[in-house]
Amino acid sequence: RKEVEQDPGPFNVPEGATVAFNCTYSNSASQSFFWYRQDCRKEPKLLMSVYSSGNEDGRFTAQLNRASQYISLLIRDSKLSDSATYLCVVRQRSGGYQKVTFGTGTKLQVIP
Amino acid sequence: DGGITQSPKYLFRKEGQNVTLSCEQNLNHDAMYWYRQDPGQGLRLIYYSQIVNDFQKGDIAEGYSVSREKKESFPLTVTSAQKNPTAFYLCASSGQGADTQYFGPGTRLTVL
Repeated sequence: RKEVEQDPGPFNVPEGATVAFNCTYSNSASQSFFWYRQDCRKEPKLLMSVYSSGNEDGRFTAQLNRASQYISLLIRDSKLSDSATYLCVVRQRSGGYQKVTFGTGTKLQVIP
Repeated sequence: DGGITQSPKYLFRKEGQNVTLSCEQNLNHDAMYWYRQDPGQGLRLIYYSQIVNDFQKGDIAEGYSVSREKKESFPLTVTSAQKNPTAFYLCASSGQGADTQYFGPGTRLTVL
């Protein structure tokens, strides 16, 4: 089983739609969780951290379910500019090092 | 402007040649990382460094070498021993104890 798994998509949604991505992780000792956004042929950029109680940033809502070991990202009122690949990132402490594992990403295409 | 720079953006090399990719940051971050990204795959860690003059192998270090002589700089050498060097190489950094990694714009290496 992969350490971090995501549905690769693509998710094709019309403008204004709500879309949700899930990401599962295998290591129950994982400590921190993030969503990054990566545009085509560009570097990943931090979208938001994921907190235990869930958190919201504008149209974006992230949630964590430790019992089931998954995190989710909800995007409301999708914009064309939201088209990108969304990477799930999980961090755990391994010895003295913070091991960071990236998912392969979920591709979102917002259609006019 | 604070940030991470990588150069060059595109690099072409002949098979059998060593090549060095540059990564510089002026964020005063202690930790720096090198990742490789291939189509349809997540980021894979090549090497990381938590402090000057110290670095550790990541998951796919074979065929690569690094140095960390200055806090700001973490160059990666792709040697001729690397069997499949063509990829998108991303450098990242993070502050001491910080969860979040920030990425440079990447170098796209093509070996002909």
